[in-house]
Amino acid sequence: NAGVMQNPRHLVRRRGQEARLRCSPMKGHSHVYWYRQLPEEGLKFMVYLQKENIIDESGMPKERFSAEFPKEGPSILRIQQVVRGDSAAYFCASSPPTQTSAGEQYFGPGTRLTVT
Amino acid sequence: QKEVEQNSGPLSVPEGAIASLNCTYSDRGSQSFFWYRQYSGKSPELIMSIYSNGDKEDGRFTAQLNKASQYVSLLIRDSQPSDSATYLCAVIIYGNNRLAFGKGNQVVVIP
Repeated sequence: NAGVMQNPRHLVRRRGQEARLRCSPMKGHSHVYWYRQLPEEGLKFMVYLQKENIIDESGMPKERFSAEFPKEGPSILRIQQVVRGDSAAYFCASSPPTQTSAGEQYFGPGTRLTVT
Repeated sequence: QKEVEQNSGPLSVPEGAIASLNCTYSDRGSQSFFWYRQYSGKSPELIMSIYSNGDKEDGRFTAQLNKASQYVSLLIRDSQPSDSATYLCAVIIYGNNRLAFGKGNQVVVIP
């Protein structure tokens, strides 16, 4: 029973390049969330998606960041023209569609993005 | 006002003792509360969820919720060196599904 999968685990990009982070939710889960954790800071919500829909993107920076969760394939968080301040750990979490335990989210191993 | 606050600094406890962690939240409508454990360099791991006032026990962990005081706590009994980690309090914000996290409390269990 595979958990939440993320790849790559580590990603190095030069300033100005694009970063693509992928997340496959747990089997049977249809809700995906992206969080960012900066060094010495807490986890910050970025976006909540269901298949083919962005439900809440209130935590997403207005520029350069986008997310999708297509009908087929993993959810993707895309960061265009990366800057040093984007260096962080990006975590994906998933939850089941019918929440008997409301709100329980299970996290993937994260992608550690380093911008040089 | 922060949505979730964990104000205590690092907590050092001797092996076998009880570690006590506290958390307050600002959204009075919140109904779902969680504790996650995060080892250094790893992802958060869900260890407790609590939805009703009172205590909930799971093994050596006890979560306590007081909605009137907007307060959640976590007790770790018989602390073990493997409990050394950062513990994150998280709350589902009323009206949506996103988790709001506190900054976390680092626990160090001294053998």
